[in-house]
Amino acid sequence: GAVVSQHPSWVICKSGTSVKIECRSLDFQATTMFWYRQFPKQSLMLMATSNEGSKATYEQGVEKDKFLINHASLTLSTLTVTSAHPEDSSFYICSARDGTGTNYGYTFGSGTRLTVV
Amino acid sequence: AQSVTQLDSHVSVSEGTPVLLRCNYSSSYSPSLFWYVQHPNKGLQLLLKYTSAATLVKGINGFEAEFKKSETSFHLTKPSAHMSDAAEYFCVVTPWGSQGNLIFGKGTKLSVKP
Repeated sequence: GAVVSQHPSWVICKSGTSVKIECRSLDFQATTMFWYRQFPKQSLMLMATSNEGSKATYEQGVEKDKFLINHASLTLSTLTVTSAHPEDSSFYICSARDGTGTNYGYTFGSGTRLTVV
Repeated sequence: AQSVTQLDSHVSVSEGTPVLLRCNYSSSYSPSLFWYVQHPNKGLQLLLKYTSAATLVKGINGFEAEFKKSETSFHLTKPSAHMSDAAEYFCVVTPWGSQGNLIFGKGTKLSVKP
């Protein structure tokens, strides 16, 4: 089945530094990928939709200059948290739509636990 | 507009007993519906999906769900709970054929007692 690889699985960084999270579709091409943020014991919140070869679409309230998304190829999207602060600490998950027509689904990465100290 | 409501934030069952996780949806269009499971600090794994074919959908690990349009429900069931089923479960809706914009329920935590 479709596999999405997300790396790193966890990262600790100092306040003010930037962190890059990668999301790769391993066995299919993903023109669209999605980035979510999940707070403890809460559901997933869509941050942005990443489109291959074009600018990402951000959800209302998400700072595009803080959360930089790049989708340079059909198998890779990256999320860079710039000038990270402790309030950016969270669990970030990517997903990609796989399949076509009526036989489609959404495959999720394993998530990245970001801790900013 | 689409929305999804998971009626229970926490469900606790004994091992070997049936599991019922309830989900109601609201959708202006024919929806696609999914159930995902999330173990602690892990990503989401697809259990099953409904995309306008058979209303009774069978998924992995013995789970199944029935799409009931008249009740706008998509409840997840399993005849016999296993300890490994303890996790967070999310009901998700999206307009059929949509290119994205999944709408997540708030999740139901399933606990399984020995």
